[in-house]
Amino acid sequence: AQKITQTQPGMFVQEKEAVTLDCTYDTSDQSYGLFWYKQPSSGEMIFLIYQGSYDEQNATEGRYSLNFQKARKSANLVISASQLGDSAMYFCAMRGEYGNKLVFGAGTILRVKS
Amino acid sequence: ETGVTQTPRHLVMGMTNKKSLKCEQHLGHNAMYWYKQSAKKPLELMFVYNFKEQTENNSVPSRFSPECPNSSHLFLHLHTLQPEDSALYLCASSQDLGGVNQPQHFGDGTRLSIL
Repeated sequence: AQKITQTQPGMFVQEKEAVTLDCTYDTSDQSYGLFWYKQPSSGEMIFLIYQGSYDEQNATEGRYSLNFQKARKSANLVISASQLGDSAMYFCAMRGEYGNKLVFGAGTILRVKS
Repeated sequence: ETGVTQTPRHLVMGMTNKKSLKCEQHLGHNAMYWYKQSAKKPLELMFVYNFKEQTENNSVPSRFSPECPNSSHLFLHLHTLQPEDSALYLCASSQDLGGVNQPQHFGDGTRLSIL
């Protein structure tokens, strides 16, 4: 079974600064995938970035990067140069090799201040 | 635009009504999912379909009835719902059920309110 823990219910960041959203996971699978999603107040879930358990490089997508520390079982999302439009709920999720489920964390609300 | 379209965006219904939620994906995917998102609760997976066949039902009450006529369309038929069923219902799709590297792509959701 997989488990995702996001310990930060809410975060504030000043516009143009970087912010790190924490995610730790638990699994006994050797192969797994880690995902981050953004959910604005309008409701849609937007896929941001993916990291595979065997990937040697940390994933990056534009202003998003994933700080993957396998030994610590953490997959933190780093957003650089925050923008007001980054204000949203952010979910970390994982998928193991034997299941078809995406397991989600509880989410972190990010507020970007001008 | 995620390639997954849900209608309606908002729905208000009484407990005795019958309504349906619709999901359509234009991504050529073979797997589709229904999720329920209630306030202050984690996302709950309800149903999974792969190549039109239901592969998972997470103990969902029978007042929710899914239908998948083809790989591009997924419906959720609702009848005699309860107030606790008020939530955001999200549809998602992925290429199929294999591969840990497949993200699920979500629609905008239907915000359902039961009176």
